Amino acid sequence: DVKVTQSSRYLVKRTGEKVFLECVQDMDHENMFWYRQDPGLGLRLIYFSYDVKMKEKGDIPEGYSVSREKKERFSLILESASTNQTSMYLCASSLSGSKGYNEQFFGPGTRLTVL
Amino acid sequence: GQSLEQPSEVTAVEGAIVQINCTYQTSGFYGLSWYQQHDGGAPTFLSYNGLDGLEETGRFSSFLSRSDSYGYLLLQELQMKDSASYFCAIRSGGYQKVTFGTGTKLQVIP
Repeated sequence: DVKVTQSSRYLVKRTGEKVFLECVQDMDHENMFWYRQDPGLGLRLIYFSYDVKMKEKGDIPEGYSVSREKKERFSLILESASTNQTSMYLCASSLSGSKGYNEQFFGPGTRLTVL
Repeated sequence: GQSLEQPSEVTAVEGAIVQINCTYQTSGFYGLSWYQQHDGGAPTFLSYNGLDGLEETGRFSSFLSRSDSYGYLLLQELQMKDSASYFCAIRSGGYQKVTFGTGTKLQVIP
C-alpha cells in the first residue's frame, strides 16, 4: 500500500512565525503535491514537484515555498505565517503516466491554526 | 484556466442509486477523476476516465462525455458508509497538475 505521511496532524503557530510542513511517501512516486482545503473551496493546489529539486507553482502559491531535496520528501514552508493561512494542508503523491497522473494518494492532512 | 461545477449537497436513501454530476471548462483535457473523502479523513481515489464512456468498479461507476465536458459518478446500492464528500478532478494543461471541484457532500439516510 502507498503510504503518505505528514509530520503533524495539528499545528498551532503565531503570526509571523516560519512554519515547516513535512510530507514523506514510501512508494517511489515521481510527483508530489501540496494542497490546502477550506470549506466550500475544495482542494486548491499550492505547489507541486515532478522530480527532485524541481517545483512548479500551483493556483495559490503566494506566501508559500517548497523544497524537495529527496525523492520521498516534499516540504511546504510558510515564510511568515498569517491568519489567512489557517487551513487544512494535504500532501499527495502520484506516479507518472496517463493513469498515474490522475490517481493521487493523499496523506492524512495537517490542520494548521495561525493565531 | 480550469473550472468545475458539481452540486454542493445530495441526499439519498440507503439502498438507492445516486448520480453526482460534474461539468467542466478547460483546454487540453487529459482525464476526469473522482475522489471520496469522509469527514476528518484524506481524499481517496475512486475512479478515472480518460476516454468517453462508462468505467465500473464494484458499486461505483463513472462516466465521461468529452464532447459535453461532462461526467458523473454513479453510486449503486447505497450504504450508510457512503456518506462522504465526493470530488471530481480534471487534469489539463500541464502533465501533472490536477484541478479539483469544490465537492459534493452526500448524505445517505435510512
